[in-house]
Amino acid sequence: AQTIHQWPVAEIKAVGSPLSLGCTIKGKSSPNLYWYWQATGGTLQQLFYSITVGQVESVVQLNLSASRPKDDQFILSTEKLLLSHSGFYLCAWSKDWGNTGQLYFGEGSKLTVL
Amino acid sequence: AQKVTQTQTSISVVEKTTVTMDCVYETRDSSYFLFWYKQTASGEIVFLIRQDSYKKENATVGHYSLNFQKPKSSIGLIITATQIEDSAVYFCAMREARNNNNAPRFGAGTKLSVKP
Repeated sequence: AQTIHQWPVAEIKAVGSPLSLGCTIKGKSSPNLYWYWQATGGTLQQLFYSITVGQVESVVQLNLSASRPKDDQFILSTEKLLLSHSGFYLCAWSKDWGNTGQLYFGEGSKLTVL
Repeated sequence: AQKVTQTQTSISVVEKTTVTMDCVYETRDSSYFLFWYKQTASGEIVFLIRQDSYKKENATVGHYSLNFQKPKSSIGLIITATQIEDSAVYFCAMREARNNNNAPRFGAGTKLSVKP
């Protein structure tokens, strides 16, 4: 069975500090991977997606970047956090073939920027 | 451009009753996929049910079913015999088949409260 794990579970960071959030998929080779952001009480906004190692496409910038260093790993980062980066970050995967877009989400990472 | 609208911000029902959550969508694509997801209080998001646009039969999974009205671009979620643990935020989502980034677009969500 496939599993998806995100880290850290929660972070409290200062404005201007760097950030790195991670996501690992087990049990699925070559998944499509996605980062979503959710403001408190809000909808899910897609940030990035990746269909293969080393290839990441941006959907919405928000002064964030993403990388896929390994087939099973997706990283979200920034060198300088803004207050507006606060929220809930979700990593998700979908099948790479016969892809309906059905997503499977990780547990999420809650970010508070002060 | 694709758009997904959930107008019901919150719904409150009594346990063991049936509830319907509305969702309308906009797309120029003739082929698309529609989804409902559930987000619990912990933040966990779980896939519930999917409707493929070319299928005329409404999808059903457990006590979840869909009311797919293609001419109205509507995909309602019906939960029968609601339970306290159905309390959550429910998101409708759509992905156009030709969408290159393969990810669905989500609606604003409907918060369901099930009370004893």
